[in-house]
Amino acid sequence: DTAVSQTPKYLVTQMGNDKSIKCEQNLGHDTMYWYKQDSKKFLKIMFSYNNKELIINETVPNRFSPKSPDKAHLNLHINSLELGDSAVYFCASSQRAGRDSPLHFGNGTRLTVT
Amino acid sequence: KNEVEQSPQNLTAQEGEFITINCSYSVGISALHWLQQHPGGGIVSLFMLSSGKKKHGRLIATINIQEKHSSLHITASHPRDSAVYICAVRSVDSNYQLIWGAGTKLIIKP
Repeated sequence: DTAVSQTPKYLVTQMGNDKSIKCEQNLGHDTMYWYKQDSKKFLKIMFSYNNKELIINETVPNRFSPKSPDKAHLNLHINSLELGDSAVYFCASSQRAGRDSPLHFGNGTRLTVT
Repeated sequence: KNEVEQSPQNLTAQEGEFITINCSYSVGISALHWLQQHPGGGIVSLFMLSSGKKKHGRLIATINIQEKHSSLHITASHPRDSAVYICAVRSVDSNYQLIWGAGTKLIIKP
């Protein structure tokens, strides 16, 4: 049973296309996140949702739009893909937002924009 | 200068060696996380600690709040320990967001 699952694992697409990455967690957690891991391996927070409400929205292009239909799902939609969007995107969840909750990660989606 | 610094960046050791990975931070924190990223890409949470020491199997994590420093130790290292180990701190100065280190790439040779 995968606790945090994201699909697809690999995504290769051309510049200008629109694509979505899906994430689901079956842990009953209240908070979900999207992280981008760049070529230097730093993990950068993009968005965080707590009970379907956006609580963190870092400076990312508005081509990136998160959607949380319920607290078990947080999908990431990307419009007009650019070469610089190529990275590994990780979904994560934690029991509650903030201080002392361990993170549970999905396996990542490697996005390649050509 | 990053708010979370890890050392070394890369570490290669022989099977059986005692491994130490260090993490220093410059912000006030409520907790520090150690995570492991396997070559396949998956990230697993190893420890979350705010004081003292935690042990899980062959892994030991310590933190010194006064010195703003944490160490991750691996005893009797094994090739399957080869991974990137990442330190992250939950910063009280940044609305409790996580600040990530760049990771330490560990290779254990048989």
